Amino acid sequence: EAQVTQNPRYLITVTGKKLTVTCSQNMNHEYMSWYRQDPGLGLRQIYYSMNVEVTDKGDVPEGYKVSRKEKRNFPLILESPSPNQTSLYFCASSPREAGLEQYFGPGTRLTVT
Amino acid sequence: GENVEQHPSTLSVQEGDSAVIKCTYSDSASNYFPWYKQELGKRPQLIIDIRSNVGEKKDQRIAVTLNKTAKHFSLHITETQPEDSAVYFCAASRGQNFVFGPGTRLSVLP
Repeated sequence: EAQVTQNPRYLITVTGKKLTVTCSQNMNHEYMSWYRQDPGLGLRQIYYSMNVEVTDKGDVPEGYKVSRKEKRNFPLILESPSPNQTSLYFCASSPREAGLEQYFGPGTRLTVT
Repeated sequence: GENVEQHPSTLSVQEGDSAVIKCTYSDSASNYFPWYKQELGKRPQLIIDIRSNVGEKKDQRIAVTLNKTAKHFSLHITETQPEDSAVYFCAASRGQNFVFGPGTRLSVLP
């Protein structure tokens, strides 16, 4: 089954404790992105990747890191999480050939206390 | 950078009526405009999209129009049904850089 998976789905952590949210897609898509969703603000793009080893900042990259060592994986790293990073996070992927339609993962709800 | 505004923030219609959601964008270089539907507790799903070289696109009860000169685009849903109730997001993109609107909560009343 073609899909985008994220882990964990739910996470409660404390300020300053490094964490990684994994994202994996099995559709051989070149493009991958990370978004955060907050009430009243819609989806805001954190980082995106055009291909392996090619990443770029979105609109809200501060406090986040990403890597794209393999085509299928695009982990989101919070080196020192803070309470303002409490949010719902979505990973998405899209194929270069078929245009720009993005397929979203199920989301990760992160709470930083 | 790009800025996308979306109106209204909430919209209630009677079943069978039409619903229209409008978005404006600021960056004339944006060339792809998707619309996503998000049901409660679920991931966003693409319902229709339009590219900057097209003025209108239709898919059954859903249509999108784009006015590049005015930098606005709209989603039209006809013959609304209760299952159309959800939050709808517009977005504008240049390449893989996507900027989303804040969303419209559509309620279709039976």
